[in-house]
Amino acid sequence: NAGVTQTPKFRVLKTGQSMTLLCAQDMNHEYMYWYRQDPGMGLRLIHYSVGEGTTAKGEVPDGYNVSRLKKQNFLLGLESAAPSQTSVYFCASSLEPGLANTGELFFGEGSRLTVL
Amino acid sequence: AQSVTQLDSQVPVFEEAPVELRCNYSSSVSVYLFWYVQYPNQGLQLLLKYLSGSTLVKGINGFEAEFNKSQTSFHLRKPSVHISDTAEYFCAVSRTGGSQGNLIFGKGTKLSVKP
Repeated sequence: NAGVTQTPKFRVLKTGQSMTLLCAQDMNHEYMYWYRQDPGMGLRLIHYSVGEGTTAKGEVPDGYNVSRLKKQNFLLGLESAAPSQTSVYFCASSLEPGLANTGELFFGEGSRLTVL
Repeated sequence: AQSVTQLDSQVPVFEEAPVELRCNYSSSVSVYLFWYVQYPNQGLQLLLKYLSGSTLVKGINGFEAEFNKSQTSFHLRKPSVHISDTAEYFCAVSRTGGSQGNLIFGKGTKLSVKP
């Protein structure tokens, strides 16, 4: 049971470099999310998507871009990495919240990014 | 706006002792409440959730939580902890009926169980 898969799991970048994190889910979920986790800060929402072809900004979107070209994939891009983007990034997915669904999130195992 | 406050950033406890991890939330509408657990170097997994009905919710690994609407709290408890319970625990709130769909997380409580 794959669930939510993130690649790569580790990456080291130099300031100014670009990269893309890939998230794939096999649960046919409509909603997908990117969070970052920093010590003492909990999880903060970067961007999310409520369906294929849609994206929306979360709490901390600056410096990131996302795309949801296919329902099962949600990409997070850093165009010009900065040391402040050193973090652990988590992708999550959920069914559409409603009377039958609570919006419970299913998480990937995380991607640890270091920007030097 | 909704918010979640986890009152303790770290909780050290000895093995087989009881533990309570505190969570308070603020919201002007009805909510769903969740506790997630994150073991070292892993993603978050659902521990338990409150949707409606009984205010005492039982989860995996012997954990339970009690929803208290008047105190806007959702504290997590376990009567006897094990070394394997060492992890970070996150309380989260989701707005019922909302279209945004995301959860608002507290900053986490690190539970450290010592032998």
